[in-house]
Amino acid sequence: QSVLTQPPSASGTPGQRVTISCSGGSSNIGSNSVNWYQQLPGTAPKLLIYSSNQRPSGVPDRFSGSKSGTSASLAISGLQSEDEADYYCAAWDESLNGHVVFGGGTKLTVL
Amino acid sequence: QLQLQESGPGLVKPSETLSLTCTVSGGSISSSRYYWGWIRQPPGKGLEWIGTIFYSGKTYYNPSLKSRVTISVDTSKNQFSLKLSSVTAADTAVYYCATERAGYSYNDYWGQGTLVTVSS
Repeated sequence: QSVLTQPPSASGTPGQRVTISCSGGSSNIGSNSVNWYQQLPGTAPKLLIYSSNQRPSGVPDRFSGSKSGTSASLAISGLQSEDEADYYCAAWDESLNGHVVFGGGTKLTVL
Repeated sequence: QLQLQESGPGLVKPSETLSLTCTVSGGSISSSRYYWGWIRQPPGKGLEWIGTIFYSGKTYYNPSLKSRVTISVDTSKNQFSLKLSSVTAADTAVYYCATERAGYSYNDYWGQGTLVTVSS
């Protein structure tokens, strides 16, 4: 059972906009920013969004992040087949001397 | 551009200690910009944060693993290491080393990962 809650799956057709939610609590998302990672099959995770809504250099602006209260969302617009991957949210948790917590991951399927 | 590379045994016996090293190139492990972390992923499952270390030796650990985990840094070799004691089959996973941006907690550079299997 992950500390951050994500839907296990999401899907969309090419060109659509999809959102993936991430729900936490006051000690993690409620107090700190959220980071998102994309993991393509058989590869290491890649940082997609940091500080809740910032994109690293090279990440297309089709990807955006937002945070409100104890929840966060990742939005992907203009869905492409290469976006089919697992997506994870993560945040610093202030409890128990501090540690990072991850969501369980969402498998995105492009239909 | 930082590059990280994990190394260590791919097979560990139950009850023994898993030991991995991450070698950093393209930058100094003594940089104040980064913590240096370990994250694992059991086959077919999600990511689990193990812990992180600053070059000064300051560490943070996953509370669920804290009693078994030690992360250390060797600035002379530009390496940091993970030791996980008393392993069981549940510790079988791909282990990643990664940078963790100081003050922000995000991982921007990752190693390719190394599969460690716990089996007799």
